[in-house]
Amino acid sequence: NAGVTQTPKFQVLKTGQSMTLQCAQDMNHEYMSWYRQDPGMGLRLIHYSVGAGITDQGEVPNGYNVSRSTTEDFPLRLLSAAPSQTSVYFCASSYSGRAREQFFGPGTRLTVL
Amino acid sequence: KNEVEQSPQNLTAQEGEFITINCSYSVGISALHWLQQHPGGGIVSLFMLSSGKKKHGRLIATINIQEKHSSLHITASHPRDSAVYICAVRYKMGGGGADGLTFGKGTHLIIQP
Repeated sequence: NAGVTQTPKFQVLKTGQSMTLQCAQDMNHEYMSWYRQDPGMGLRLIHYSVGAGITDQGEVPNGYNVSRSTTEDFPLRLLSAAPSQTSVYFCASSYSGRAREQFFGPGTRLTVL
Repeated sequence: KNEVEQSPQNLTAQEGEFITINCSYSVGISALHWLQQHPGGGIVSLFMLSSGKKKHGRLIATINIQEKHSSLHITASHPRDSAVYICAVRYKMGGGGADGLTFGKGTHLIIQP
């Protein structure tokens, strides 16, 4: 049982490049989400999904796309990277419903030059 | 806007001291989470509670729904407790960043030997 896995751990991009951050979980969780963590700020929700085929925007969705074709995978795509997207990205999953324990991936540290 | 405030922002204590970290929020919630983030960056869920008190080892979490306040206590603190402790809340009625969690900025705790 690997829990929540994220790849890559580190990435450096140039402005305008695109890339996909991968997230996978093997706990059969319905709910998955992406957060970004910036210095001096709490984690902020980018996008989330309540099940395969269903996604919705969070607090800071601009510049990011997601899809959920399977229960296990929830990739985050940066369409055209900008320096403002330099951050640490965390994927999390849980069972559906309110008041559910969240399981976090190890994070991806992204730098956009 | 839903707000989650933590105090103190930074705390340095000596090994063995009793530690208290506070979290307050502005509206009714369905659950409150306490998370731990170690220097390596990984985030681990410590507690999830919607009422009362929970204890796990040397960690105790309490919540007062009427006062919209929660505390995390560490008894007999140890240098390995050094980490960032994050409070996060899930609001009722689908709030909290569109069905995600709203996070505090974290409390940076250092326990000196």
